Amino acid sequence: DQQVKQNSPSLSVQEGRISILNCDYTNSMFDYFLWYKKYPAEGPTFLISISSIKDKNEDGRFTVFLNKSAKHLSLHIVPSQPGDSAVYFCAASFGGSQGNLIFGKGTKLSVKP
Amino acid sequence: EPEVTQTPSHQVTQMGQEVILRCVPISNHLYFYWYRQILGQKVEFLVSFYNNEISEKSEIFDDQFSVERPDGSNFTLKIRSTKLEDSAMYFCASRGDSKSYGYTFGSGTRLTVV
Repeated sequence: DQQVKQNSPSLSVQEGRISILNCDYTNSMFDYFLWYKKYPAEGPTFLISISSIKDKNEDGRFTVFLNKSAKHLSLHIVPSQPGDSAVYFCAASFGGSQGNLIFGKGTKLSVKP
Repeated sequence: EPEVTQTPSHQVTQMGQEVILRCVPISNHLYFYWYRQILGQKVEFLVSFYNNEISEKSEIFDDQFSVERPDGSNFTLKIRSTKLEDSAMYFCASRGDSKSYGYTFGSGTRLTVV
C-alpha cells in the first residue's frame, strides 16, 4: 500500500541547472507534506515542508509546489550544487495522528560538476 | 545545533537474542519516534511516543517490540527475540510542539541479525 510514491529512483543533473523531484500521493486526508534529504550513514535531514492549504513554499534554493487536485508535489532545487547529491524523501502526515510520517521510497539525486 | 544521538551505530546479534537500541532525543522535545529502513526500501514508521506512553504504532510494531523512556532523557527500542527480517537501519526522531513538523532524526543504528 504505497500512499506516497516517488516513481523516479534516480535523477542526474548538471551543476547550476534545476533539479525537479516529484512525488505523488493517494490519500486526500494528508494535510502536511515534507521533504527530507539523506546522505549515506546519516539520518534524514528535514529540508522544507508545505501545508495542504498552500500551493507553494520557498526557502532559499528550495521550493516545494503542491497540486492538490493532482495529488502531486514537487521539490525544485535551483541552482543545483554537487553537495545536493543525496537521496531525497517525500513524506506526508495526518495532523490528527501527531505527525507520524509516511515516506516515499526516495529519489537519488546526483549533481555533476 | 541540537542533535538526536543514537547508540550503537552498528549492532550485530544472533537470531532470537534481545537487542536494545538507544536514543537521546533533543532535550526540550516532546514527541519521540522510531522508524526503520530495510536496505533498499523506504523509511517506515514504527511507533510514536508522547507523555510517557505510546501514541501510535504501525503493524510492524508487534509484541516483540517495546519502547521505554526510563529516565527522562533516553528513549529505547527493545526487540525481544530478533528475527533475520529485523535487520535494518533504525532511526530515532524527536520533535517539539504539535505545530512543528520539523523532525530531527538521529544517524541511525544498523542492526544486523545473523
